[in-house]
Amino acid sequence: GEDVEQSLFLSVREGDSSVINCTYTDSSSTYLYWYKQEPGAGLQLLTYIFSNMDMKQDQRLTVLLNKKDKHLSLRIADTQTGDSAIYFCAASGGSYIPTFGRGTSLIVHP
Amino acid sequence: SQTIHQWPATLVQPVGSPLSLECTVEGTSNPNLYWYRQAAGRGLQLLFYSVGIGQISSEVPQNLSASRPQDRQFILSSKKLLLSDSGFYLCAWSVRGGGNQPQHFGDGTRLSIL
Repeated sequence: GEDVEQSLFLSVREGDSSVINCTYTDSSSTYLYWYKQEPGAGLQLLTYIFSNMDMKQDQRLTVLLNKKDKHLSLRIADTQTGDSAIYFCAASGGSYIPTFGRGTSLIVHP
Repeated sequence: SQTIHQWPATLVQPVGSPLSLECTVEGTSNPNLYWYRQAAGRGLQLLFYSVGIGQISSEVPQNLSASRPQDRQFILSSKKLLLSDSGFYLCAWSVRGGGNQPQHFGDGTRLSIL
């Protein structure tokens, strides 16, 4: 089955860019998602990208997809302390059940 | 717009007691519904999903059960809680009708077993 991997932690300084990386194994994955989870809360859908796209930009968020390497990244420009959270990558193929990574904890230092 | 409600937000229960967590979705019809558990290690474990009333699929054999008595209502239950049932429980929904629709999550229930 699908396997989605993420690094567990990322620490950045306020105002810098953050890049959170994700790899997946199933080349038939057609939709790839990024979720944000703040402490004690549920997962909030941030953005998603179709596998026929290379990039998607939404305000401070940029998603890059390298389908050949099965690599997905989320770039947050001008990172703020309010961006501190756990970010989950998820991949979905033909099933309606996506596979989630374990999440990357983003820590933003003032 | 669509909204998803989970309650209670926090629950403390003794070992061996029953459990009932409820989730309802508003603003959409015929959703796919899901129950996840998130342990301290942060990964999401899919427990149950449902594509319609009375249709429940279990992903992991365990001490829990799920029911869908109405189209937009999903209930997670247990007859006797174990210490290992502690965790953060999340309900989610997605649009039915083809794969690859994103899931939308509730705010979760923090369950502590004493």
